[in-house]
Amino acid sequence: DIQMTQSPSSLSASVGDRVTITCRASQSISSYLNWFQQKPGRAPKLLIYAASSLQSGVPSRFSGSGSGTDFTLTIRSLQPEDFATYYCQQSYSTSLTFGPGTKVDIK
Amino acid sequence: QVQLVQSGAEVKKPGASVKVSCKASGYTFTRYYFHWVRQAPGQGFEWMGMIYPSGGSTSYAQKFQDRVTMTRDTSTSTVYMELSSLRSEDTAVYYCARDTSIYGYTLDYWGQGTLVTVSS
Repeated sequence: DIQMTQSPSSLSASVGDRVTITCRASQSISSYLNWFQQKPGRAPKLLIYAASSLQSGVPSRFSGSGSGTDFTLTIRSLQPEDFATYYCQQSYSTSLTFGPGTKVDIK
Repeated sequence: QVQLVQSGAEVKKPGASVKVSCKASGYTFTRYYFHWVRQAPGQGFEWMGMIYPSGGSTSYAQKFQDRVTMTRDTSTSTVYMELSSLRSEDTAVYYCARDTSIYGYTLDYWGQGTLVTVSS
């Protein structure tokens, strides 16, 4: 299986901050990388697919970049509703795998 | 609008089986794959397998190959995931998710999750 890692595992930020989360795959996955947001007790929400395509209805302050093994999720200006845990997921191979998550909380 | 509604929480004893349902609405059921993913308390996500509602073909994660069965009922637009020989480590929230297949395996809509607790 393709292993996914994320950094940092958690971060503290303030409203209005620019936040960057990185994700690394154990082998090249081209642009087959998705990003999800999850809030406590809720199902994950798709934010970004194909590494950089914004899912319909997702605010434009979210953006993704990268290809191959290294990827980045950026939140341009953090809003109160963005405090959550973020996961990357490779969609390259049938055995889907997810990163361990990055928890974004309030500084 | 697309909705996936899962069945309610379950409590099972070790060795038992559980069957979770996921009813889809708001789109053509047979057009998209479904995946099942679980999340143990405070943990990350684990992919269990997938089913194509048109025809019922399946693909399971090797870890669950001998314990999981995914089926569908096209008359009710419902997919099912049955996990047998339950153990305490199977305690988790189980999610169904629709796959748009827009670029690889992309899960755009998720059910609300079903908590399965395995305890003696």
